[in-house]
Formats: sequence, C-alpha cells, structure tokens
Amino acid sequence: KAGVTQTPRYLIKTRGQQVTLSCSPISGHRSVSWYQQTPGQGLQFLFEYFSETQRNKGNFPGRFSGRQFSNSRSEMNVSTLELGDSALYLCASSLAVESDTQYFGPGTRLTVL
Amino acid sequence: DAKTTQPNSMESNEEEPVHLPCNHSTISGTDYIHWYRQLPSQGPEYVIHGLTSNVNNRMASLAIAEDRKSSTLILHRATLRDAAVYYCILRGFQKLVFGTGTRLLVSP
Repeated sequence: KAGVTQTPRYLIKTRGQQVTLSCSPISGHRSVSWYQQTPGQGLQFLFEYFSETQRNKGNFPGRFSGRQFSNSRSEMNVSTLELGDSALYLCASSLAVESDTQYFGPGTRLTVL
Repeated sequence: DAKTTQPNSMESNEEEPVHLPCNHSTISGTDYIHWYRQLPSQGPEYVIHGLTSNVNNRMASLAIAEDRKSSTLILHRATLRDAAVYYCILRGFQKLVFGTGTRLLVSP
C-alpha cells in the first residue's frame, strides 16, 4: 500500500507570493492533518480535515487555509508569504480520527526569500 | 492554551530503560494519548497510543496514570536508533493538543 505522498517536495517562493501544497493520503484514509515544522518552534498543528470538513484548527493566521476533496486528497494554501513561513510542511493521514494512527508524509520544504 | 508538557531533553545510556513523562492535565474522558517520535531528517512516526489502560507493543510501553492527567512512555532497552524527539499528543473530538516534545539522547 502506498504511503502518504506530498507534492512538491521542495519549493522556493518570494515574499508576497502565494503557494499551494498537495497531500495524497493512504488509500482508504479519510482524515488528513497538516503541520508546520521549524527549527525554532518545533512541530505545530495547522488543521485537520475529515470527510471534506475541517474538524480542528491550530493557531495560525488566516493566510493559512486548506481544503479536502471528495477523494480525501488535501491541499493547503498560504497567501502573502512571509519569511517566517519558511518551514517543512508535513501532512499526515489516518482512517478516522481520535483513536487511529497517523501516518506522515515526507513533507514539503518551503523556502521564502 | 491547552497543551501537553514534556521535558525538553533527557539522556540515557544504551541498553538502559528510559521513562519519558508527559503531563496532560486538560485531558477529557474520550481523549486518546498518542506518542510519536521523529528521528533526524525524517517525518514523525507512530510509537504507541492508549485511552485508559496501560499498553504494550513491540516498540514501547505506555503507562497511564489512574486520573489520566499524566502518562509515561517506556523504552525498555534504549538503543542508539531510539535517539529522537518524542511527542506526546492528545487526540479527541475536534481536539488535537501536543507540546514541544522531548529530545532523547542515547549514549553508547
């Protein structure tokens, strides 16, 4: 069974631009979560989707948004990029939510210049 | 904000047991306690999870306090490959809470 895939793996953008990251969960998984990881802040939760509905949201500004499609694939978008948005963005999928194991993808490394 | 509280770092010698504590005083009755670890240059990976009772699997054991406000991840015999950051996470309905993790250093 294929694991969680994230595209692109690496991305370089400039301040003020916007970016869209994609995550394909493991087949059959309906829950997708997004995390931001930076050296200074560690792993921080962005949001979680289940069956196309946002179930949880972390403390990030409105520039960060996401969505989930009917096939459980998910995208996250960051508008008006800032230097501080440079990070590794991780996606994780699970069958449902509370009691299930999350499987993480390799991440997308975003660099904002 | 609600969060789990973990020590920033811990050290262990190879082949010794390691007890990684986590405080989660904001836990609700239906919240699951999950532990994940992140090895250098890799994404987080699942270690173990539980609800009320202690849990064992091939990687580790999870001891949950009777009031569920704290838990301890137990690595029975640490190896160099166990050096990682360990995250304690609460997952519930519309709830996902975790802290900054514990960096485990293992010496030969």
